[in-house]
Amino acid sequence: DVKVTQSSRYLVKRTGEKVFLECVQDMDHENMFWYRQDPGLGLRLIYFSYDVKMKEKGDIPEGYSVSREKKERFSLILESASTNQTSMYLCASSFTAEQYFGPGTRLTVT
Amino acid sequence: KQEVTQIPAALSVPEGENLVLNCSFTDSAIYNLQWFRQDPGKGLTSLLLIQSSQREQTSGRLNASLDKSSGRSTLYIAASQPGDSATYLCAVEFQETSGSRLTFGEGTQLTVNP
Repeated sequence: DVKVTQSSRYLVKRTGEKVFLECVQDMDHENMFWYRQDPGLGLRLIYFSYDVKMKEKGDIPEGYSVSREKKERFSLILESASTNQTSMYLCASSFTAEQYFGPGTRLTVT
Repeated sequence: KQEVTQIPAALSVPEGENLVLNCSFTDSAIYNLQWFRQDPGKGLTSLLLIQSSQREQTSGRLNASLDKSSGRSTLYIAASQPGDSATYLCAVEFQETSGSRLTFGEGTQLTVNP
């Protein structure tokens, strides 16, 4: 079974802090994705990556950056957290069409 | 702009009932369509993937159909159980977008009452 893990289930940070969300997959997948999920807005793609050191902007990249130094790990970085970044963050990976999701990180910025 | 719509937003049924969840999309040029399940506060679990060349996929009590020309997919759940209670999400990979990106609907929240 494919396993996608995320570093934290719940996270509370203060406004202005730098925040790292980590995602690791164990199936040697090429593609990795970061989404955020908000009530009434659904899942929205923040960034994705085809391969190591490659990244592409999704639909809402503003305020975020990413890092992929190793194939299995894809990090989402909030350079200076703001309250409007309070959300559920979901990581996914895929080799072909089917995406596999991690359990999510519920981030609260106060 | 490619969009995915799911109706209804919420559905409540008694246990044992057969039910259909609907998904529509705005552009028939797709690579595939995927149905997911999400339990409260959790990540998404993939249920079924239908390639654009396929008409349907089945897994246990679940059957998903795809009609590209009309821009519709349905997820049929047979003999529903309380454990089926969850939010069901439809996601489409449109040909116009790159990189295996999925566009998601907002989901149908299903409650199966014992």
